[in-house]
This record gives sequence, structure tokens and C-alpha cells, in this order.
Amino acid sequence: QSALTQPASVSGSPGQTVTISCTVASSYIGHYNLVSWFQQHPGKAPKLLIFAFDSRPSGVSRRFSGSKSDNTASLTISGLQAEDEADYFCSSYATGPTLNYVFGGGTRVTVL
Amino acid sequence: QVQLVESGGGVVQSGRSLRLSCAAAGFTFSSSPMHWVRRAPGKGLEWVAIILSDENITYYAEFVKGRFTISRDNSKNTLYLDISSLRPDDTSFYYCSSGTQLDYWGQGTLVTVSS
Repeated sequence: QSALTQPASVSGSPGQTVTISCTVASSYIGHYNLVSWFQQHPGKAPKLLIFAFDSRPSGVSRRFSGSKSDNTASLTISGLQAEDEADYFCSSYATGPTLNYVFGGGTRVTVL
Repeated sequence: QVQLVESGGGVVQSGRSLRLSCAAAGFTFSSSPMHWVRRAPGKGLEWVAIILSDENITYYAEFVKGRFTISRDNSKNTLYLDISSLRPDDTSFYYCSSGTQLDYWGQGTLVTVSS
């Protein structure tokens, strides 16, 4: 069972708002806490979009926002643009006797 | 600005070993935790390992099973990943990343393992 589950794909038209979910599996609740989101275009390096559920690094567009509800984190892309077509990954880490990072399976965003 | 440049990838036969390097610039390398993350063709991102600013503290993903070793040379601002007993399913782009939040990433180096 994957610790973080994302939908495989999401699509929207230019200007629309899309939301990607990232659900922590029930057996991992309490182990994985803060969630980050990354964007990766084909052939490019991943880029940090959101950390600690809803914080945006300097330079990241305000069209990207993060939120959390119960055991699900979400990434919302507002005013969808052609350049937003990419793969998006959520990530979290568990601390304790060891330190372990995990990624969700990834969501392909298609701009129609 | 932050720069991370990976090198050392290529085509290698199954069972052989390989060392990847990541040259860092533009930030205080010695104070930053550093990661290796990989992405196989058609697959998602997979975290491999982290080394804290204290060079002796390392953590690995479960799948590593002793075949991978992460290390750093703070005097050279360089991160390393040694991979032994390479397998075809190790074929991936390997990325280095800095910071607890994986704040910055390099462009990656491609490792292709032939059987």
C-alpha cells in the first residue's frame, strides 16, 4: 500500500481551476506529516511549488496554492495556463528512529 | 543562485558499480541536508537517500538494501552516490536535491543498466 495516493491524471481548459489530491493511507496517518508539492516538466528538473501544506517559496506563482483537510492534502492551480501542463508530485517525510521521505505516484495535468 | 550539477551517469552493465557526483554552488553546502531522488522512465519520483550536514548521519529508502551509499565532501561542495550490483531496474534519471524540503534540484544524470 502506497503511503501517498494521487489521481493519475487531471485535465482542464485554459483559465479553469484544477485541484489535485494527495491522500495519506490510513496505516501511515501520524507517521507522515508535512506535505510538499513538486512540478516536473518533461526532461526538466523537479521544482518545489508548496511546502508545509500551504507555504509557497519565493518566486512561485500565486496561482499555485496548497491546503489540507483531515488526511488529504490538495494542490490547486488557478487560471490554468498551457505552461502548467506537467507532472505533479506530493511528498512527505516521517521522522522517528529513522528518516524516510516518500512521493505520491504523480498526477499528469493536461491543459485541453 | 543555487546550482546543482550531477555527473557520472551512462550506460553500464548489470552487476557493475557506479559513482554519481553532484557539484553544488550558490549556498552553504556544508550546512544543508542533501538528497538523491530518482525517476525511472514512465514512473514517478522515488526518494533514494539523505545525508545530513553532519557527514556521518545518513538514511536510505527501504529498497536500497545496502547497495547504495550516499556521502559528501564539504571541502569540495560535492555530494556522491555509490551504487553497487547495478540492476536493469536501477535505470533512471538520478537527481540531487538540497534542503529539508527538497528546495532545489539539479537537472539529473541518466543511468542506463544493460542486462
